[in-house]
Amino acid sequence: SQTIHQWPATLVQPVGSPLSLECTVEGTSNPNLYWYRQAAGRGLQLLFYSVGIGQISSEVPQNLSASRPQDRQFILSSKKLLLSDSGFYLCACLPPGSGTTEAFFGQGTRLTVV
Amino acid sequence: GDSVTQMEGPVTLSEEAFLTINCTYTATGYPSLFWYVQYPGEGLQLLLKATKADDKGSNKGFEATYRKETTSFHLEKGSVQVSDSAVYFCALSDLYSSASKIIFGSGTRLSIRP
Repeated sequence: SQTIHQWPATLVQPVGSPLSLECTVEGTSNPNLYWYRQAAGRGLQLLFYSVGIGQISSEVPQNLSASRPQDRQFILSSKKLLLSDSGFYLCACLPPGSGTTEAFFGQGTRLTVV
Repeated sequence: GDSVTQMEGPVTLSEEAFLTINCTYTATGYPSLFWYVQYPGEGLQLLLKATKADDKGSNKGFEATYRKETTSFHLEKGSVQVSDSAVYFCALSDLYSSASKIIFGSGTRLSIRP
């Protein structure tokens, strides 16, 4: 079965600093990968998704970017963090050809920008 | 585009009460429907799913039936426990019309009083 590793679990960063969150997947090849953000008391907002290496789709204009340098690696980045970037970031994986099966989630990274 | 509308929370119930969390969706294709649960400080876990009309998903005493005629997937449990306190997300995935996206509702926070 699929396992998603996401790190770090918590992060406190000053405004204006860079960000790099990493997500790696085990147990499947060529998955669809997703980054979601959950702001305090709110639902899940899809930020980026990727259907393959180097293929990134952005859902909302923002201060963040994503990259997929390897099949099972998905990175969320920022050059300069804003206070509004604070939130709980979740990486998710959808195995290939699995429109009818569930997505798997990492444990999340809680980012606080101060 | 596809969307999921979920009952606003928070919902507070006493132990052993009956639970319903409403979820309706719009989709142009034939989506699969899911309920995910998020316990405090954790990522999301699949609770149950249904892949076609009239399917009933069930797990841990929770049930939801895929109703195409009403475009609904309401979550129910006959007798809730304190351990059911969590945030519940309704979601759909439809690779044919959502460009590989997984669409989530806004989440419903459930608190159960002993």
